[in-house]
Amino acid sequence: AQSVSQHNHHVILSEAASLELGCNYSYGGTVNLFWYVQYPGQHLQLLLKYFSGDPLVKGIKGFEAEFIKSKFSFNLRKPSVQWSDTAEYFCAVNPLYNTDKLIFGTGTRLQVFP
Amino acid sequence: EPEVTQTPSHQVTQMGQEVILRCVPISNHLYFYWYRQILGQKVEFLVSFYNNEISEKSEIFDDQFSVERPDGSNFTLKIRSTKLEDSAMYFCASSQGQGHTDTQYFGPGTRLTVL
Repeated sequence: AQSVSQHNHHVILSEAASLELGCNYSYGGTVNLFWYVQYPGQHLQLLLKYFSGDPLVKGIKGFEAEFIKSKFSFNLRKPSVQWSDTAEYFCAVNPLYNTDKLIFGTGTRLQVFP
Repeated sequence: EPEVTQTPSHQVTQMGQEVILRCVPISNHLYFYWYRQILGQKVEFLVSFYNNEISEKSEIFDDQFSVERPDGSNFTLKIRSTKLEDSAMYFCASSQGQGHTDTQYFGPGTRLTVL
């Protein structure tokens, strides 16, 4: 069955630390990939997306993600986190076989301490 | 920046009652979706809707569920006879183009509690 795995359920960092959140998917065909963020009390917002082209994608707020097709991965990175990055981060996949649905990972809760 | 809005933010209902969750998608968007997230679990796709028809639905979306676009702005999810296991956060989303070519924008969610 298609699935999306986020192995880090809860990450705690100090400000200025580097961040990498893992995302792996189990679908062999062409996919679109997304990272969404949900700040406390707010709705899901798009951080970045990959449809095609350069596998290194830059998003908002200094985030980037790298699509590695051979590893079925789309890890999210930020070189230096801020307290305001405290949020829940969701990886999502859209398998491109005539479906519009997003398949989400379980989410990673990031806490950044000053 | 335009946003998807949802009402109410929190709905409490008794088991067996009908509930209607409301969403106002972004105004020039044509594709609409409902997802839900049971506490501690993944966000799950329920249904997609385009041109006044369901275009795709998951196995969760059984006969107890229905969707409607009653006017030019609202998009509703109705649960006919709620069960305890329907307690979840329900998210509405919309996209201008099809979901596999365009970004889905999410609303803040409605927390449904079934007692």
